[in-house]
Amino acid sequence: DAMVIQNPRYQVTQFGKPVTLSCSQTLNHNVMYWYQQKSSQAPKLLFHYYDKDFNNEADTPDNFQSRRPNTSFCFLDIRSPGLGDAAMYLCATSRDQREGYKQFFGPGTRLTVL
Amino acid sequence: GENVEQHPSTLSVQEGDSAVIKCTYSDSASNYFPWYKQELGKRPQLIIDIRSNVGEKKDQRIAVTLNKTAKHFSLHITETQPEDSAVYFCAAKAAGNKLTFGGGTRVLVKP
Repeated sequence: DAMVIQNPRYQVTQFGKPVTLSCSQTLNHNVMYWYQQKSSQAPKLLFHYYDKDFNNEADTPDNFQSRRPNTSFCFLDIRSPGLGDAAMYLCATSRDQREGYKQFFGPGTRLTVL
Repeated sequence: GENVEQHPSTLSVQEGDSAVIKCTYSDSASNYFPWYKQELGKRPQLIIDIRSNVGEKKDQRIAVTLNKTAKHFSLHITETQPEDSAVYFCAAKAAGNKLTFGGGTRVLVKP
């Protein structure tokens, strides 16, 4: 089944210790997104890739970086996690706007910072 | 940029009754309005969406209406069931590939 996969599902890290979250998709979608979601709040967009073009949100802290080495994979790097970065991180994909707008979410990675 | 407001923040209904969630948006250029359902600890799942050239769309017990003039859209769930209990998010898409989400509505269906 075509889908959006995130690994790991649960990640525990220490304060200040870099962590990488991964997302892969078999939908062959052009666009990949990273969202941060806290406590049933709305997902907050961190950045997205349109193919290889990186689009950062103005209020995304520099502590958050992303890489998209190919169409299928996208990574979220948190360089120095703080306690406030504990959250669910959701990856989503969509086709570009010429073909449709539907965003499909992965299951998320729950990050705990000790 | 786009701003989406969603009401109510919580909604408790008796099983079998209807539930209505309302959202307003600010950017008249917005042209796509999805609704997501998120159960506790799970991913947001797209349940229905509507484009700006359509006023209403229905899928079984779920319907969405759009009033472009007033810039608001609503989700209607009829004959609610306990499995409808979840957090529902509306969203709007203006130019580009980004969605702006509403703040969410926690729906509780009481048996």
